[in-house]
Amino acid sequence: AQKITQTQPGMFVQEKEAVTLDCTYDTSDPSYGLFWYKQPSSGEMIFLIYQGSYDQQNATEGRYSLNFQKARKSANLVISASQLGDSAMYFCAMREGSGNQFYFGTGTSLTVIP
Amino acid sequence: GAGVSQSPSNKVTEKGKDVELRCDPISGHTALYWYRQRLGQGLEFLIYFQGNSAPDKSGLPSDRFSAERTGESVSTLTIQRTQQEDSAVYLCASSLRLAGVQTQYFGPGTRLLVL
Repeated sequence: AQKITQTQPGMFVQEKEAVTLDCTYDTSDPSYGLFWYKQPSSGEMIFLIYQGSYDQQNATEGRYSLNFQKARKSANLVISASQLGDSAMYFCAMREGSGNQFYFGTGTSLTVIP
Repeated sequence: GAGVSQSPSNKVTEKGKDVELRCDPISGHTALYWYRQRLGQGLEFLIYFQGNSAPDKSGLPSDRFSAERTGESVSTLTIQRTQQEDSAVYLCASSLRLAGVQTQYFGPGTRLLVL
């Protein structure tokens, strides 16, 4: 089974609107961390936000927030007030507490329309 | 430098040749990862180094792939007898625990094309 599933290959959003990028995960480890990265066309991977499995509140970083639903094993990224510069690939990733690896999803391509 | 650097940024080679990719992590970062990203795909874990511990090589796709790291410094990823399917971007990341979170910082990648 896939550790990280991103079901939206591509998404479009109007500038200044909010958008949700979906991510579900699969693990039996009670301790894990969830990450979102942005990869612009230039190729670098930029860390956006982190959610720990024991965190009681949803993580927020500026315009980014993580909608963490533990029972559903989902960790959706919400980008508020989209900007043209948000157009990029977005990857969800997980690290299990007992392991070394980061597992990445296949990514979602976000296009912000002016 | 302030970030993770990788060299070369681009490499074109002929099938069957060996290539060596270099990663300079952020100073003080004890952990270092190598990933492969094929065109339009997600990141595929290759290998993980943590300090002086034995590396986790579980992601290496074949014995043509190897990597070394001396202490907490530079790492090299070597691909022997390259094949066309090795064409990809090879990303290196180093990490440090920040308040319990092992956040990875990525380099710009090496784009490898095997003809």
